[in-house]
Amino acid sequence: DSGVTQTPKHLITATGQRVTLRCSPRSGDLSVYWYQQSLDQGLQFLIQYYNGEERAKGNILERFSAQQFPDLHSELNLSSLELGDSALYFCASSGPGQGAEGTQYFGPGTRLTVL
Amino acid sequence: GQQVMQIPQYQHVQEGEDFTTYCNSSTTLSNIQWYKQRPGGHPVFLIQLVKSGEVKKQKRLTFQFGEAKKNSSLHITATQTTDVGTYFCAGRGTALIFGKGTTLSVSS
Repeated sequence: DSGVTQTPKHLITATGQRVTLRCSPRSGDLSVYWYQQSLDQGLQFLIQYYNGEERAKGNILERFSAQQFPDLHSELNLSSLELGDSALYFCASSGPGQGAEGTQYFGPGTRLTVL
Repeated sequence: GQQVMQIPQYQHVQEGEDFTTYCNSSTTLSNIQWYKQRPGGHPVFLIQLVKSGEVKKQKRLTFQFGEAKKNSSLHITATQTTDVGTYFCAGRGTALIFGKGTTLSVSS
């Protein structure tokens, strides 16, 4: 158990819909990262938040957005869903450094299926 | 932009054989990390290499960081069925970029 929690574990929805994925980092970790993992693209970095502020952006679509709340949990919002958005979405957290330095601890992931 | 390439994509070995996966970056890295993801699981941190030419060992696993800090390798000696999974390298330049991973399968 990494100490990072993600909900829900599975999510099935239809095209055009909007969903919210939730992540709680390890106690004391200030950075939260979101990744998308699909079979053909591997682990794609989406976005990083540090202590409530956006720190780094990767290959995140405009239909996707995220935020980190004062209690440090984070939410990833996916809208106007397409079939190609079906993937495993991981959240990871790391220690007090602001950059993507040090170990990243991954949550169990949310499997999103878009029908 | 920064890219991290990992080869091979898949590797099947007989139990007891050795296995190596290679990671190459398009830019010089500050450090490189290795993660393992078991089937159905999430990536788990294995190790971080920081110094040029660094070599670290964890039991049967040997990790190397190239002299130019642009490549790295993971070597597993005498593979076991418990080694199955996908091994990712992640290189830190301006951001932490993951390779696509090498999926290892082991038959007994």
